[in-house]
Amino acid sequence: QAQLVQSGSEVKKPGASVKVSCKASGYIFTNYLMHWVRQAPGQRLEWIGWINPGKGDTKYSQNFQGRVTITRDTAANTVYMELSSLRSEDTTLYYCARANEGGFAPWGQGTQVTVSS
Amino acid sequence: DIVMTQSPDSLAVSLGERATINCKSSQSIFYSSNNKNYLAWYQQKPGQPPKLLIYWASARESGVPDRFSGSGSGTDFSLTIRSLQAEDAAVYYCQQYYSAPYTFGQGTRLEIK
Repeated sequence: QAQLVQSGSEVKKPGASVKVSCKASGYIFTNYLMHWVRQAPGQRLEWIGWINPGKGDTKYSQNFQGRVTITRDTAANTVYMELSSLRSEDTTLYYCARANEGGFAPWGQGTQVTVSS
Repeated sequence: DIVMTQSPDSLAVSLGERATINCKSSQSIFYSSNNKNYLAWYQQKPGQPPKLLIYWASARESGVPDRFSGSGSGTDFSLTIRSLQAEDAAVYYCQQYYSAPYTFGQGTRLEIK
C-alpha cells in the first residue's frame, strides 16, 4: 500500500536553509498531489503547500511564501521541501502527506527540524 | 483563511460509551456543484502522524472501524465514536480542504475513563 518515508532530523542555525525529503512508494507517484504540513508542540497543524508531482506546479501558504520551495524528482519518486531564512519559530515537526480522494493520507513519519544557534 | 474551531478542547468518556466532537468552520465548506462538504477528521496518537478517519464529512476511510462516523454540512460538523475502546484515546482534528490554505482545528483530546 501507499507509504511515505521522510529524511531524518535536522539541526540548523538561524538564517540557514533546510531541505527535507519524502520518498513515496506503493502507488503511482505522479497521480496524487503531495502536501507538506508542520506541527509545533501545542499548536494546531499548519499547512505549508503542495506540489503536483506530475506537472511540477506548486501552491504555497501565504505564511511561507518566499521562504519555501517544494520540488520533486519523478525518477526517484521523491518530493522535497526546502525552507530558507530559518528562525527559532521554525523548530518543529514537518510532515509530508499525500492527497487522498478527500483529505490527506497517508502521512510520512515526520522530520524534526531544530533551529538553534 | 477559513478558521476551524473544535469543541470541546478535551473530554473524558467511559469505555463503551459514545463520544462526540464538534467542528465549526468560519465559512461554508460545501461545494454545491458536487454536493460535497470538504471536511476531514484525523486521529493522532503520541509519537505518530495524523491518521485519516473520515473525508467528505461522512465517508469512512478504508480500514477505519464503523464505530467512527461523521456528520454535518455547511459550517457545522461532528465526529461520533460509539462503543469507545481504550485504543481510541487520542487527539482528534478536523480539517477543511475546500480552499487553500487547508486549515485544521485546534484539536480535541479524548481520554477514556
